[in-house]
Amino acid sequence: QSALTQPASVSGSPGQSITISCTGSSSDVGGYNYISWYQQHPGKAPKLMIYEVSNRPSGVSNRFSGSKSGTTASLTISGLQAEDEADYYCSSYTSSNTRVFGGGTKLTVL
Amino acid sequence: QVQLVESGGGVVQPGRSLRLSCAASGFTFSTYGIHWVRQAPGKGLEWVAVISYDGSDKYYADSVKGRFTISRDNSKNTLYLQMNSLRAEDTAVYYCAKDRFREPTIDYWGQGTLVTVSS
Repeated sequence: QSALTQPASVSGSPGQSITISCTGSSSDVGGYNYISWYQQHPGKAPKLMIYEVSNRPSGVSNRFSGSKSGTTASLTISGLQAEDEADYYCSSYTSSNTRVFGGGTKLTVL
Repeated sequence: QVQLVESGGGVVQPGRSLRLSCAASGFTFSTYGIHWVRQAPGKGLEWVAVISYDGSDKYYADSVKGRFTISRDNSKNTLYLQMNSLRAEDTAVYYCAKDRFREPTIDYWGQGTLVTVSS
């Protein structure tokens, strides 16, 4: 049950686009399309931003998009805004019927 | 609206036990899988356990297997986590979180309850 691999930090200026990667294995990311992304602001509970690789829940801005290639999933945020500054976590269903999270990525909006 | 409210956290000595509860409202509790996820201070999210909608299936992270037990009472719309043989490394905010309907995707989270294991 090793954590999925995410970069520790990414940054971008307002209006720019950034991409966060999430690398797993054939037992999780590579084997299923149950990949989700969560946003967490300090002291708050996580919020679902993307589910099933690329679907957005109602109310989530279309500036957030997701994709997957092989054992790596990606979250892209376009038109960066100050309120996007937060920690982001990927998650995947696994072949053991468990779940696994990435180590988290701190997004800084410069 | 969906509400998940955790309770039962606190300070406990290593080796002792603690039971967390999660009261659910705003959705049909008995039809959703529910999880416990924890977050150590300053660290990332760690999945702990999941229980199926009817309680028939339960799965655990290796780090808690044999020490923690997840259960639910659908008549009370409540989820539980019995934590035994607690260790310092179990110190974390514990969140309960629900799945999307019949899908292995967490969509809503509670606000969490802090468990501190310390002598």
